[in-house]
Amino acid sequence: DIQMTQSPSSLSASVGERVTITCRASQSISTYLNWYRVQPGKSPELLIYATSYLETGVSSRFSGYGTGREFTLIINSLQADDFATYYCHQSFAAPLTFGPGTKVDL
Amino acid sequence: EVQLLESGGGLAQPGGPLRLSCVASGFTFSDYVMNWVRQAPGKGLEWVSTINTRGSTYYADSVKGRFTISRDNSKNTLYLQMNSLRAADTAVFYCVKTKTPPLASIDFYSFDVWGLGTTVTVSS
Repeated sequence: DIQMTQSPSSLSASVGERVTITCRASQSISTYLNWYRVQPGKSPELLIYATSYLETGVSSRFSGYGTGREFTLIINSLQADDFATYYCHQSFAAPLTFGPGTKVDL
Repeated sequence: EVQLLESGGGLAQPGGPLRLSCVASGFTFSDYVMNWVRQAPGKGLEWVSTINTRGSTYYADSVKGRFTISRDNSKNTLYLQMNSLRAADTAVFYCVKTKTPPLASIDFYSFDVWGLGTTVTVSS
């Protein structure tokens, strides 16, 4: 099974700051890496798919890059809605796996 | 508007069954790979199962042999039959649509539409 790790597990930031979250896979997953935001009490929301493609309707403050085993999510100019938990997800092979999450708080 | 609406959650006895349903609207259900993903209280997201457009199914090891995913395209409905439930199955279960992949033969891709979730509690 492909194991996903994320760093940091949590971080504190302020509105307007830039945040970087890293996701690593235990083996190469090409660019089959996706990012989701989970706000408290809400369903997950797709932000970035296939490593770097911005999902329709998602703010351009979100961007992603990487390949192989290491991937990065960048959130520019953090807004109030961005205080949430972020998960990476590999869709390269079953069993599909998520990272443990990165909680971004104020 | 694309929507997924889950139902069927509730309190179940350890070792007992429960069936979840998910009604899809706003898109051609039969054209898409569908999934169940769960989140236990205070825990992260966990993929549970996938069914592709041809009916092929995939399961997480933690549910293999106990859960069965199925779909009824005539009713635009996805199901998850859960048997031999355990306390560890307690979670919010989300019905999830797979985003159109770059190749039709790809079963696994990103999850672009999520339902509101239905809560399953396994306890005596």
